Amino acid sequence: GAGVSQSPRYKVAKRGQDVALRCDPISGHVSLFWYQQALGQGPEFLTYFQNEAQLDKSGLPSDRFFAERPEGSVSTLKIQRTQQEDSAVYLCASRPDATYEQYFGPGTRLTVT
Amino acid sequence: QKEVEQDPGPLSVPEGAIVSLNCTYSNSAFQYFMWYRQYSRKGPELLMYTYSSGNKEDGRFTAQVDKSSKYISLFIRDSQPSDSATYLCATGAQKLVFGQGTRLTINP
Repeated sequence: GAGVSQSPRYKVAKRGQDVALRCDPISGHVSLFWYQQALGQGPEFLTYFQNEAQLDKSGLPSDRFFAERPEGSVSTLKIQRTQQEDSAVYLCASRPDATYEQYFGPGTRLTVT
Repeated sequence: QKEVEQDPGPLSVPEGAIVSLNCTYSNSAFQYFMWYRQYSRKGPELLMYTYSSGNKEDGRFTAQVDKSSKYISLFIRDSQPSDSATYLCATGAQKLVFGQGTRLTINP
């Protein structure tokens, strides 16, 4: 079946621009997670949704980062006024109900110039 | 101190060797442990998932958890060049906490 998809796969933004990253989870998966992966590091948690409810946003690095999942399916991670330190791969993962196994998408590589 | 520590390597072994990858973690409340494989410019792919202490085997892969020493391991038997990737350990319940990842190269 179809896995988690993310778009765009690559994004180059000038410092100060706003960006929006999209995640399409596996159909029927209740939970959705966003992670940030810096070069040579493991993914770091940003935020988590169960259906449309954002249950944990403790990992969002600043108020420039905002995520939504209005209908409990597709999610968008928005970064306002991008900075160079925002350059990273942004990974989305989804998880079916009653399990702890998360399935990742291919990621969006964001480069801020 | 990071919640999950993993030797970043790189680790290079000949084809057919047994590979041992290891992580330590600090939070004794963690119950679920996972190993992910990540190829270059791809997302992490779930390899193994274990709950609490013990061993789990899947083909050439064995995951081992020792909760008394907060130590998790992944063994790869009869390693193949296609196993060359970065291996990430992870633990947690809702949000996952990852190690740094170990870059592994299997040389033909």
